[in-house]
Amino acid sequence: DVKVTQSSRYLVKRTGEKVFLECVQDMDHENMFWYRQDPGLGLRLIYFSYDVKMKEKGDIPEGYSVSREKKERFSLILESASTNQTSMYLCASSARTGTDSPLHFGNGTRLTVT
Amino acid sequence: QKEVEQNSGPLSVPEGAIASLNCTYSDRVSQSFFWYRQYSGKSPELIMSIYSNGDKEDGRFTAQLNKASQYVSLLIRDSQPSDSATYLCAVSPNAGGTSYGKLTFGQGTILTVHP
Repeated sequence: DVKVTQSSRYLVKRTGEKVFLECVQDMDHENMFWYRQDPGLGLRLIYFSYDVKMKEKGDIPEGYSVSREKKERFSLILESASTNQTSMYLCASSARTGTDSPLHFGNGTRLTVT
Repeated sequence: QKEVEQNSGPLSVPEGAIASLNCTYSDRVSQSFFWYRQYSGKSPELIMSIYSNGDKEDGRFTAQLNKASQYVSLLIRDSQPSDSATYLCAVSPNAGGTSYGKLTFGQGTILTVHP
């Protein structure tokens, strides 16, 4: 089974702090993603990466950056946390195949910014 | 304009009934369609994928796809209380022949199966 592990289940940070959310997958997947999930808004893509050191903006990249130095690890960075970034953050991975392959999600990190 | 639309519900069905969940999408060239189930406080898990027009059955679940109508549905037969969850429809956009697995999600439909 694919395992996607997010380093923290719950995080509480203060406004203005730099925040790192870590994600590791163990299935040698090429693609990795960061989503945030908010009530009434569903899942929204922040950033994704299809290869080491490659990254692409998703639908809501403002206020975020990412890092992918190794294939198995994809980090989401909040440069200066704000209260509107309080959310559930979900990391996911998928294999690069001829047709689209499904996403496998981590357990999520619930971030609260006070 | 939303790219993937679902009725947010809640949809309430009695135990043993058929639950019907619907999803429409706006990008006509979409190629891959997925249904994810998300229990409260948990992350989404894939339950069905469908790529061709018609029906695809897996146990109590049937996914139906109609690309001409840009419509995908999920039927759950013999619904159980354990099926109570939010069901997310996801669509893969086609960008130059590949989308690297990038999915667009609907808001999700809350399903409640009552005994």
